Amino acid sequence: QVQLQESGPGLVKPSETLSLTCSVSAVSVSISTDYWSWVRQPPGKELEWLGYIHKNGDSNYNPSLKSRVTISLDTSKNQFSLKLSSVTVADTAVYYCAADSAPNRYFHWGQGTRVTVSS
Amino acid sequence: EIVMTQSPATLSVSPGEGVTLSCRASQSVGNNLAWYRQKPGQAPRLLIYAASARAIGIPARFSGSGSGTDFTLTISSLQSEDFAVYYCQQHNIWPLTFGGGTKVEIK
Repeated sequence: QVQLQESGPGLVKPSETLSLTCSVSAVSVSISTDYWSWVRQPPGKELEWLGYIHKNGDSNYNPSLKSRVTISLDTSKNQFSLKLSSVTVADTAVYYCAADSAPNRYFHWGQGTRVTVSS
Repeated sequence: EIVMTQSPATLSVSPGEGVTLSCRASQSVGNNLAWYRQKPGQAPRLLIYAASARAIGIPARFSGSGSGTDFTLTISSLQSEDFAVYYCQQHNIWPLTFGGGTKVEIK
């Protein structure tokens, strides 16, 4: 059973880059055929898909984030990461990492990490 | 992008009763529709995908139906863990989008 755990700063200043890591247990990201994704949930709002990456290099991002988002895979540390640049208060949310054998649904989830954008 | 609309926003139900939740897409998504349950302070859990396929470990009291733009999730007999927020998600067209949720609360 894949286990996921998010980590990263809980407070980020406006205009800076938000960086989060998702540590993966029970499977190797270099071997698994799963897709590794990030989803966020602003306070009181619905879930929002951010993007995914696959070990074969396939990736896809939500165009609403334009070029601000990057997801990368670190096989040496068995983790994947999210970087969101030029953040504003609108990026305040609980950020979840997720995984599934398909890129467009999410069976495995991390517990989520709350990120606040504030000066 | 495809807009997902869920109704009602809140349902008040007694334990043991059945309930039906609705989700409508702004354009056809075929049968590419998933449902998630989210308990307070927890991550969502995948219940249904491809409109009617139960995810691994999901009990038979959960069933999904529909195609095109209109979908339903039926819970046949509500258990205590089922009082939560339910989200639908279309997984047909990028970007993937979620509905605003239906909260099922204890009556």
